Amino acid sequence: NAGVTQTPKFQVLKTGQSMTLQCAQDMNHEYMSWYRQDPGMGLRLIHYSVGAGITDQGEVPNGYNVSRSTTEDFPLRLLSAAPSQTSVYFCASSYGDDYQETQYFGPGTRLLVL
Amino acid sequence: GENVEQHPSTLSVQEGDSAVIKCTYSDSASNYFPWYKQELGKRPQLIIDIRSNVGEKKDQRIAVTLNKTAKHFSLHITETQPEDSAVYFCAASIVGAAGNKLTFGGGTRVLVKP
Repeated sequence: NAGVTQTPKFQVLKTGQSMTLQCAQDMNHEYMSWYRQDPGMGLRLIHYSVGAGITDQGEVPNGYNVSRSTTEDFPLRLLSAAPSQTSVYFCASSYGDDYQETQYFGPGTRLLVL
Repeated sequence: GENVEQHPSTLSVQEGDSAVIKCTYSDSASNYFPWYKQELGKRPQLIIDIRSNVGEKKDQRIAVTLNKTAKHFSLHITETQPEDSAVYFCAASIVGAAGNKLTFGGGTRVLVKP
């Protein structure tokens, strides 16, 4: 199993550009989520999904869109990048049931918005 | 929503000594409390977790205690080693609700001095 994979590893954007951060998992996990980690801070939830076709907002959703057309993939779209979105983005997944709650994180995407 | 506070923000210990990190949470419905270790430039990795129906859990040199009444939980690392140097995050969530949404503390940077 590859686990949770993310691409790209690093990206530089100009203000106003759009891009999609990719996340995929091969563990048949129902639950997937996106977090951002700013320097010296904890992770904050952006969006999450409890299954294909179902998404919802987390703590800091503004400026981001998500969709979940398959169980495996959960892309995060930045609509119009802003310097405040400079951060490290982590995707995570889990089975999402009462007894298999461990969340597994991807390696992260480091984003710099100029 | 849930709020998780973590202390201290930095912790320096001598090799072989113990380290203790404390977290408090606000939502009494939270029932799952994982601890993650993050090395520089790497993804968060789960090191131990505890459910609300358990007061203490141990795994070799690592232990977590939970006080539901006071809404706080702690990570204890005994016989610290240089490889324990990292940033540690506590988190809280409600397993079984709509998605296992983790709320993280701000992190503790642990430095183990040889």
